[in-house]
Amino acid sequence: NAGVMQNPRHLVRRRGQEARLRCSPMKGHSHVYWYRQLPEEGLKFMVYLQKENIIDESGMPKERFSAEFPKEGPSILRIQQVVRGDSAAYFCASHKGSAENTEAFFGQGTRLTVV
Amino acid sequence: AQKITQTQPGMFVQEKEAVTLDCTYDTSDPSYGLFWYKQPSSGEMIFLIYQGSYDQQNATEGRYSLNFQKARKSANLVISASQLGDSAMYFCAMRETGYGGATNKLIFGTGTLLAVQP
Repeated sequence: NAGVMQNPRHLVRRRGQEARLRCSPMKGHSHVYWYRQLPEEGLKFMVYLQKENIIDESGMPKERFSAEFPKEGPSILRIQQVVRGDSAAYFCASHKGSAENTEAFFGQGTRLTVV
Repeated sequence: AQKITQTQPGMFVQEKEAVTLDCTYDTSDPSYGLFWYKQPSSGEMIFLIYQGSYDQQNATEGRYSLNFQKARKSANLVISASQLGDSAMYFCAMRETGYGGATNKLIFGTGTLLAVQP
């Protein structure tokens, strides 16, 4: 049973380019959370999605950031016109349902570097 | 508002000794869950241990145990018989409660960097 898969593991973008981060949840999981970890900090919640729905985007910056979780395929976190401050590690976690779980299964993260 | 506080930016421990990593939390909700994660230099987040607020006993997982003191709102991680491979960043986290009830959204502390010395 494969775990949460994120790709790419490392992504380098020039300022102004677009970054696309992908997350394939564990098999049978239909709930995905995205977190951002700035250097020297803990993870901070960004967005919670179920298949084809954004449930909670209270942690997402209002501009340039968007997320989707289509019926087929991985969840995508998209950052348009990246700036140096977007450099961070982006993690996703998946859950089977909305009920409380005792463990959040995290992917290995995507490390975005904006140059 | 819910909050997690880790007051130790860094800790040293001698190999084979035990170490306690501190975590305090703040919540007004009677039902909550507390987690510890390990983040080695490779960057992935590794789940270590979970404690539910209504669990009668402190959680244990191998060499990891959680010293849960509800009245003090603390959930310290104890690692027994430290190994060199335990050197990593350790994060305490709490499940956030939303308006619709419990969610799986986690609030993280700022982490403690543990260095195990031979």
